[in-house]
Formats: sequence, C-alpha cells, structure tokens
Amino acid sequence: DADVTQTPRNRITKTGKRIMLECSQTKGHDRMYWYRQDPGLGLRLIYYSFDVKDINKGEISDGYSVSRQAQAKFSLSLESAIPNQTALYFCATSDTPAGTGSGANVLTFGAGSRLTVL
Amino acid sequence: AQSVTQLDSHVSVSEGTPVLLRCNYSSSYSPSLFWYVQHPNKGLQLLLKYTSAATLVKGINGFEAEFKKSETSFHLTKPSAHMSDAAEYFCVVTRSGTYKYIFGTGTRLKVLA
Repeated sequence: DADVTQTPRNRITKTGKRIMLECSQTKGHDRMYWYRQDPGLGLRLIYYSFDVKDINKGEISDGYSVSRQAQAKFSLSLESAIPNQTALYFCATSDTPAGTGSGANVLTFGAGSRLTVL
Repeated sequence: AQSVTQLDSHVSVSEGTPVLLRCNYSSSYSPSLFWYVQHPNKGLQLLLKYTSAATLVKGINGFEAEFKKSETSFHLTKPSAHMSDAAEYFCVVTRSGTYKYIFGTGTRLKVLA
C-alpha cells in the first residue's frame, strides 16, 4: 500500500457542487499539506497542518477548507466548486525536523486527485 | 525570502546523451534544496536532497546535483539519458523547520530514441 493515499483519483463535478478530497497516510508524520498543481505554475500550497489542532492557510486558501480528523487523515473541501478550481491536487506529508542543522524534511506525496469542474 | 527559477520549461535529449536541468535559487537563509520527478499520472517522487552537507549530491536512477553557493545554482545532471527518464522535474527550495516549500515551475524532459 502507498504511504500517502488520496481518494478519489479522478472526479468530474459541476459548478456549485461540494467536493471533498481525502488523504490518509501511514508514515506516522505529524505534518500534512494540500497543494494544487496547474500547468506551468508548479505546486502552490493551499493549507497545511502541523498536528491535529494546528491548521493554517497557505498562499491560495480562498474557496477551500480542510479538516484534520486524525494524525493520519487530512481532507480538503471545496464548498462550492467553480471551473477555475479545475486542477491536480496533491496531499503531502513530512516529519517534524530533528533539530538545528538537520536540514529540511522530505515531502512525501500522494498520487494526486484530478478534479474537473464543469 | 526564498525563490526558485527553473531556467528551461522543456528540454529534449537523445537517449544515451547527458541530461542537464538548470535551477537557480534565492534564499536569505541557508537553504535546503530538492529535486523531485513526476511521471505522467503519478505523484512527485524525491530524486535527491541537499541540506548543507556534501555539495555534490547523488540521487536515485543515476541523477546527481551540485550545490554552488557562489552561483546560487543547483543543477540536476545525469550522464546518460534513458527513455524512462522522460518526465517533469521540479526544483524545490526551503529551509529547516518551515512549512514553506517553494516549487519551481517545472522542466519537462523529453528523451528521443
């Protein structure tokens, strides 16, 4: 089984519908992230969570919400989907840094959820 | 502040020839740098990581990158391209402890038979 599992992998929906993308991980990492990928723009951070009670907005959080149901589960919701939210969405996890000088931790990604809003 | 620039959006090489994917970064702090690869319909997979140890970093599948502070570069190389290397490659800069991983816009590598 994959370390980071995203469901659904593909979803087509209509404008105005509520959509939830789910992410679960078996890495035991405290930190979880949701990113959005658009062609030519790289990945942009939507929300991140350092633990169950610590959830923060990223650079493009408008129109999205998240829920951290457990250490292993982090879901992304679009309350009322619009066409410009059509994109590839990635969940990622990372461990808590070991300490000064240890360097940043690696992000481990899920396989992605492709969302199309008509 | 940190930023990263991937200098080529597309690179084409013939199978068996060297690969060079260029990445320049800007950072007010001692950076950590990564290269990730994304194959079609797949997630991002870590190729290699630099975190202030050796400046020449070896990764998976024969890739390596050299951290050059004076040039603020972290270019990815491979001596001999294989068809399976065709993918999109992302350079990422961050620093220890932060949530902020800055992604480049990606370089799509095409390998010609």
